[in-house]
Amino acid sequence: LAKTTQPISMDSYEGQEVNITCSHNNIATNDYITWYQQFPSQGPRFIIQGYKTKVTNEVASLFIPADRKSSTLSLPRVSLSDTAVYYCLVGDFLSGGYNKLIFGAGTRLAVHP
Amino acid sequence: DAGITQSPRHKVTETGTPVTLRCHQTENHRYMYWYRQDPGHGLRLIHYSYGVKDTDKGEVSDGYSVSRSKTEDFLLTLESATSSQTSVYFCAISESKAGNYEQYFGPGTRLTVT
Repeated sequence: LAKTTQPISMDSYEGQEVNITCSHNNIATNDYITWYQQFPSQGPRFIIQGYKTKVTNEVASLFIPADRKSSTLSLPRVSLSDTAVYYCLVGDFLSGGYNKLIFGAGTRLAVHP
Repeated sequence: DAGITQSPRHKVTETGTPVTLRCHQTENHRYMYWYRQDPGHGLRLIHYSYGVKDTDKGEVSDGYSVSRSKTEDFLLTLESATSSQTSVYFCAISESKAGNYEQYFGPGTRLTVT
């Protein structure tokens, strides 16, 4: 079961690019990397998922190096509304691995004016 | 929101009383999950279900039981509530969508045990 390590908190300013790195040294061959965002008083919300290299969608990019032992969530030009907790998860979702996921404490991102 | 609702949204109860939380989904998802979230912690899995009458334990299942008698409802029961079970409880479903394997979470139930 791959354990993840990410910074407890980060600060940024509106308009900047934010990169949050997650370490997962014992990631398994079949594991995917997923990031979730959580606002206060709400459940987490899926942001992006990837297996290797780079994945981009309308809200973020996910960079995964060749050894897959870490990953970086990139949020372009953040706004105040991006202030939230961000979770990095690693798991074999194809085999129904959500029952083995560990969310951890996440990274608390604060975006300032 | 994948059609997930939770009830009640808030509840205050006394130590030793039984409590049942309900998760309801409208999109026929097979997998359903119950998590709890405490200050400074991420979500911890309590129980999950992979079909009607098919359930299994998660990371923190002690003191909790679940039932799933029909696809749309997943019930979480605290047989005898304790103050350590004061928490926010989230229900979730999982599905494959556009090549991704995602979980969708309900709005949460804030439970206070006095």
